[in-house]
Amino acid sequence: DAGVIQSPRHEVTEMGQEVTLRCKPISGHDYLFWYRQTMMRGLELLIYFNNNVPIDDSGMPEDRFSAKMPNASFSTLKIQPSEPRDSAVYFCASSHRPGSGYTFGSGTRLTVV
Amino acid sequence: EDQVTQSPEALRLQEGESSSLNCSYTVSGLRGLFWYRQDPGKGPEFLFTLYSAGEEKEKERLKATLTKKESFLHITAPKPEDSATYLCAVLYRGSTLGRLYFGRGTQLTVWP
Repeated sequence: DAGVIQSPRHEVTEMGQEVTLRCKPISGHDYLFWYRQTMMRGLELLIYFNNNVPIDDSGMPEDRFSAKMPNASFSTLKIQPSEPRDSAVYFCASSHRPGSGYTFGSGTRLTVV
Repeated sequence: EDQVTQSPEALRLQEGESSSLNCSYTVSGLRGLFWYRQDPGKGPEFLFTLYSAGEEKEKERLKATLTKKESFLHITAPKPEDSATYLCAVLYRGSTLGRLYFGRGTQLTVWP
């Protein structure tokens, strides 16, 4: 298995632009998580899905952030409009059950200028 | 209030010098405590899950232990390739199923 695949690896965008991050989880994993990592706040859970249904989105910062999982093999995290304070590394992770360890992707480093 | 606190923030060891990293948690109703390793520019890599006090897990030079309020990651005779940030996280009954709370990590540097 190729693991959790995220794209792009790096994204540089101007403030106000729309940004879409993509994730392909491991096949057979029913849980998908979006995390954000910054020096100031560490790893923060933004949202997670179970069987493609959003379960907990309490970590989504504001309405500018949205996430979808149209099928078991694909998820997107969208920021519109983007702001400099959104600059961070965004990780996608998946697992086959909540009590097991997650498998993380390599992350997308987002820079908003 | 942070649910998970890791110490120290950074640790420098000489190759072969054993030590321990600490992860303390304030949540009640622990469902699991997780250790991850993160290398620069990469996502965290799962190491261990511990479910109950007294449990221990080992992998090569690493051994994780769990008490009612904290976990230790013991590193025996470390090598430079053990240099990484070590993260712990908890899953507890008061949170939605699947939601892990991560500590800020301990950045370990092992020099030859």
